[in-house]
Amino acid sequence: AQKVTQAQTEISVVEKEDVTLDCVYETRDTTYYLFWYKQPPSGELVFLIRRNSFDEQNEISGRYSWNFQKSTSSFNFTITASQVVDSAVYFCALSEILTGGGNKLTFGTGTQLKVEL
Amino acid sequence: EAGVTQSPTHLIKTRGQQVTLRCSPISGHTSVYWYQQALGLGLQFLLWYDEGEERNRGNFPPRFSGRQFPNYSSELNVNALELEDSALYLCASSAGTPGVAGELFFGEGSRLTVL
Repeated sequence: AQKVTQAQTEISVVEKEDVTLDCVYETRDTTYYLFWYKQPPSGELVFLIRRNSFDEQNEISGRYSWNFQKSTSSFNFTITASQVVDSAVYFCALSEILTGGGNKLTFGTGTQLKVEL
Repeated sequence: EAGVTQSPTHLIKTRGQQVTLRCSPISGHTSVYWYQQALGLGLQFLLWYDEGEERNRGNFPPRFSGRQFPNYSSELNVNALELEDSALYLCASSAGTPGVAGELFFGEGSRLTVL
């Protein structure tokens, strides 16, 4: 069965600090995809990144970076120079490709990030 | 381009009632997914519709049902509401590329409170 663990329930940082959100996953599939989503107070889940199991290159997008390590089944997310607008709940998710091509996501429990002035 | 839209945004029902939630996917997306985000239970997969058919459902009782219309919009119906059905119901759409786990684009959800 698919499983995603986000051990950090809540993290508080001061603006401009760097912060890393941890994600550990379990799957028996050899091909899989990992995702990060951001959920601001409005409720909408905002897509941040998708990474497939064959691509272990780290990704950087502005202040965001992701470290995918297959050997430790981890897909961690770092925000550099955090800002108040980064305050949200962040979810890591693992895909299961369904018969017919659907994408069923198993989400972690989320990490509440609070960035204070 | 409009994103995924859901209605209503908030609603209050009493136990035993029935509710219908609506979702319009991004134009061109044929797949619609429903997720439940209940307090303490996290985000759980409910249903997947594609090309008008229910393709897969999560571990939810039959009183959770829905349908997808020819224009790819979708409805989620919940019958005989129970207190634990109180949750944020999120709809997502995807372009549905076979063999590729494409990103799901989510709406802002419908927050259901059951009293």
